[in-house]
Amino acid sequence: AQSVTQLDSQVPVFEEAPVELRCNYSSSVSVYLFWYVQYPNQGLQLLLKYLSGSTLVKGINGFEAEFNKSQTSFHLRKPSVHISDTAEYFCAVIPFGNEKLTFGTGTRLTIIP
Amino acid sequence: NAGVTQTPKFQVLKTGQSMTLQCAQDMNHNSMYWYRQDPGMGLRLIYYSASEGTTDKGEVPNGYNVSRLNKREFSLRLESAAPSQTSVYFCASSGSLSGANVLTFGAGSRLTVL
Repeated sequence: AQSVTQLDSQVPVFEEAPVELRCNYSSSVSVYLFWYVQYPNQGLQLLLKYLSGSTLVKGINGFEAEFNKSQTSFHLRKPSVHISDTAEYFCAVIPFGNEKLTFGTGTRLTIIP
Repeated sequence: NAGVTQTPKFQVLKTGQSMTLQCAQDMNHNSMYWYRQDPGMGLRLIYYSASEGTTDKGEVPNGYNVSRLNKREFSLRLESAAPSQTSVYFCASSGSLSGANVLTFGAGSRLTVL
């Protein structure tokens, strides 16, 4: 079975500073990787995904993530955050050939003005 | 607007009462899912349906039943609600993208069981 670990439950960051949200996974087979974002009182929406090819993937709102197979990581980064980035961020994995997405416990990003 | 629609958005129940959460998608997706979200626990899969007429248990199915009524609709039923089922419930659907499933989520249903 696969699992996802997001070690940081909360990350406070000053506005216009860079941020990295960490995600590590474990799986006995290859996986697809996703980051979803949940703004306050809303459902989740896809931020970015890694399916194959280049290990650096770019998503919406200036976010990017890098897949590192040797470290089984898929960390999310943004060079300069904005107040509107305040949200909860979820890393998720799905093994090849599987229908079921497994989520991490989420990281709440708080932007400090 | 295309997407996933959940009803109701809010519900308060007493212990032992029953209710059904409704979900419908208009994207012609084959797969549909029910998740619950609890603080500090992320989203946990309750049940999913890979196609019309099939359902499978997820991580936390106890206390729930589901029905895939047709390709569009996937309902979640609580037969005898318990306080432990107080949560935010999300329905999702997926097509496929390069062999992977990208989920589209509904806005959520907040359930409180007293």
